[in-house]
Amino acid sequence: QKEVEQNSGPLSVPEGAIASLNCTYSDRGSQSFFWYRQYSGKSPELIMSIYSNGDKEDGRFTAQLNKASQYVSLLIRDSQPSDSATYLCAALFGNEKLTFGTGTRLTIIP
Amino acid sequence: DVKVTQSSRYLVKRTGEKVFLECVQDMDHENMFWYRQDPGLGLRLIYFSYDVKMKEKGDIPEGYSVSREKKERFSLILESASTNQTSMYLCASTLPGSFGELFFGEGSRLTVL
Repeated sequence: QKEVEQNSGPLSVPEGAIASLNCTYSDRGSQSFFWYRQYSGKSPELIMSIYSNGDKEDGRFTAQLNKASQYVSLLIRDSQPSDSATYLCAALFGNEKLTFGTGTRLTIIP
Repeated sequence: DVKVTQSSRYLVKRTGEKVFLECVQDMDHENMFWYRQDPGLGLRLIYFSYDVKMKEKGDIPEGYSVSREKKERFSLILESASTNQTSMYLCASTLPGSFGELFFGEGSRLTVL
């Protein structure tokens, strides 16, 4: 069973601080990784994708991938109350099936 | 913008009823997916389709079937609904070769009594 593991939280971070979300995966063959954000009562939306080792930055978001250690992380700088949501980590196994973690609930405290 | 539309936001059905969940996308995407989302279990793939009349089982296909007669429409069928199929059902679509970049519909919350 190919798995993606996340700490379910909740994770509380003060406004303006850095939020750090982590994810591990079981299949060394996975090549593609994604972060989705899901607001309460809404459907998930893609916010970041990362395919190679290292960091990828997009605005206040940075995705980090370490294939040797099989983990992916998402950093949110200058956290805002609007960042409060559940963040889903996902990995592509076999290039067809996207497997999701159970999500980490993030709360930004004003 | 990609739009994925699910026909029903909320449904209440009785055990044993046949249930149809419809999903339509307007961006000519080849790939379409059905997931269910449950607390503590996350999103789990039920079925997906990469072309008209094609279907592939996901991780939890038991108790479900699908239909894809037209490229833009992907239907999920519960032949005989059971209480353990009470869940949020999410449809998604993607471009070819882009299985990780999903566009989701708003979801259909099904309650089976």
